[in-house]
Amino acid sequence: DQQVKQNSPSLSVQEGRISILNCDYTNSMFDYFLWYKKYPAEGPTFLISISSIKDKNEDGRFTVFLNKSAKHLSLHIVPSQPGDSAVYFCAATAQGGSEKLVFGKGMKLTVNP
Amino acid sequence: GAVVSQHPSWVICKSGTSVKIECRSLDFQATTMFWYRQFPKQSLMLMATSNEGSKATYEQGVEKDKFLINHASLTLSTLTVTSAHPEDSSFYICSAPTTGVWTEAFFGQGTRLTVV
Repeated sequence: DQQVKQNSPSLSVQEGRISILNCDYTNSMFDYFLWYKKYPAEGPTFLISISSIKDKNEDGRFTVFLNKSAKHLSLHIVPSQPGDSAVYFCAATAQGGSEKLVFGKGMKLTVNP
Repeated sequence: GAVVSQHPSWVICKSGTSVKIECRSLDFQATTMFWYRQFPKQSLMLMATSNEGSKATYEQGVEKDKFLINHASLTLSTLTVTSAHPEDSSFYICSAPTTGVWTEAFFGQGTRLTVV
């Protein structure tokens, strides 16, 4: 049973446009969510996180939105840049972020020049 | 910023041999480190939690006698894949949170293990 789901395996957008990456979760105990970016044969790099007490967190071009009632979060990247092309993982954890991370399967983002 | 260094980045070994992977926190102390495994086009799956000075905690389905974890110091955790078989071929990644919560968990660069 997958607790964190990224249902779309890939997304392709034009440079300068907005990229929206979606993530759903099933475990109501999750209260902290993170997004990671990963290149092949490398470890994930932290991008942005959000606590369940918030519904939005913004950091530069990256914004994460959380809809607790729908158990859904999304990562918005605007404007998208070719360097953003990578695999993006959504992750969730419980107890304020001290429990183990549960990852989604990842989504490959391609930003075309 | 905090850095987690993992070594080696890739290794090829013969079936039946053992392989050791090291994970070091370079500029912070990590009482806890996590070991993940990723198959192609799959999610990162937590294998075990490495605790400094005590036994590791393994996730369900992970053979603790096959994947030996040692966390002898606050900056080093090792994962040894014993009697490796081709099905153990995978991408192994370690990580460490700097403050004990995942506000910013740092990951090693990963190790690509190929067992032939």
